[in-house]
Amino acid sequence: GENVEQHPSTLSVQEGDSAVIKCTYSDSASNYFPWYKQELGKGPQLIIDIRSNVGEKKDQRIAVTLNKTAKHFSLHITETQPEDSAVYFCAASFSGNTPLVFGKGTRLSVIA
Amino acid sequence: DAGVIQSPRHEVTEMGQEVTLRCKPISGHNSLFWYRQTMMRGLELLIYFNNNVPIDDSGMPEDRFSAKMPNASFSTLKIQPSEPRDSAVYFCAIWGSLNTGELFFGEGSRLTVL
Repeated sequence: GENVEQHPSTLSVQEGDSAVIKCTYSDSASNYFPWYKQELGKGPQLIIDIRSNVGEKKDQRIAVTLNKTAKHFSLHITETQPEDSAVYFCAASFSGNTPLVFGKGTRLSVIA
Repeated sequence: DAGVIQSPRHEVTEMGQEVTLRCKPISGHNSLFWYRQTMMRGLELLIYFNNNVPIDDSGMPEDRFSAKMPNASFSTLKIQPSEPRDSAVYFCAIWGSLNTGELFFGEGSRLTVL
């Protein structure tokens, strides 16, 4: 089955700097790669996703890149703000209609 | 609105007791997922239902765990008997109505087994 590895497990950045979180997956059939943000005491919430027919997607300060050949994808947050502090999860699945397999999460701390 | 209501939000119980966690999608959904979150293992899929039928329960740790979805608006996850290693946050999630693959999570049930 699918296995998703996520790095780093913790990340601290100064406010205004960029943050990058990386994930690798094992199943070449996976073609849907979402990123979720989890705030304290809440459930994870989708912030951006990418499908295998594109290599990059942006939404304001966040972007995701995908390298299908290498089977890895990354989340980029620019101009970080304190409210970006949270746990971020990457995930993978086939077509988005099968259960998501999640990475173990990255705790991001943005220091003001 | 693809919301999910989970109860209880917090449960503290003693080893050996039965625990029942509940999930109610605000709008009826045919697909429903139970995930468990721990520091060591992250978010693990326990079981998922499609059309109220369990499709994959390979993530259920052992026979002490059971889950039901009697209708599109309700599901339970039961642990009997509970053990300290079951302490975790348990999430219920559903797919959104647009079928884009996005999962909508409840706020979770934090279980502590003493």
